Amino acid sequence: ETGVTQTPRHLVMGMTNKKSLKCEQHLGHNAMYWYKQSAKKPLELMFVYNFKEQTENNSVPSRFSPECPNSSHLFLHLHTLQPEDSALYLCASSQDRLTVNEQFFGPGTRLTVL
Amino acid sequence: AQTVTQSQPEMSVQEAETVTLSCTYDTSENNYYLFWYKQPPSRQMILVIRQEAYKQQNATENRFSVNFQKAAKSFSLKISDSQLGDTAMYFCAFMKLRNNNDMRFGAGTRLTVKP
Repeated sequence: ETGVTQTPRHLVMGMTNKKSLKCEQHLGHNAMYWYKQSAKKPLELMFVYNFKEQTENNSVPSRFSPECPNSSHLFLHLHTLQPEDSALYLCASSQDRLTVNEQFFGPGTRLTVL
Repeated sequence: AQTVTQSQPEMSVQEAETVTLSCTYDTSENNYYLFWYKQPPSRQMILVIRQEAYKQQNATENRFSVNFQKAAKSFSLKISDSQLGDTAMYFCAFMKLRNNNDMRFGAGTRLTVKP
């Protein structure tokens, strides 16, 4: 275990549904990340929060909406997704964005959009 | 922008043998870090080894070692005495040291260790 948990582990949703992914870290970190992992493609960084402030949004469609209520929790709200959004969504955390520290990853949520 | 290339989508190795996974990257930075992460099937991604660009000595962690060639922008991972538990996706990652410390990942290499 890496100290980062994600729920649910699997999610199937229709294109008109609204769902949320949750991430929690128990490491006392201040930076949290959302990545999209698709087969045979590099991990795509989606969002970054540092001390609860969003510091990066890599041109992610507005149907993905992040929320970071505190340094330990990170959410990804999903609505009107497309089938091409099916992927493994990984959450990660690190000490912060200024010091060089490894990122610790959660197990991911396997999302299938029908 | 930094890019990371892993040219071997899949590899296999016999148990107890040695295998090398390749990684190249493109950057204009002089100071940076490189990482290898392991993602076992249905399990969490974990750090295997990291290398600081300003260190000439190659990093080692037990059976895992790297061959870091800064001029060639190459960062390969060698796994010695391969074990069945080494079966996983392996991702190479680059981290620059300016402005922020976000990582850029390669597409991964799926390694299968055969008994």
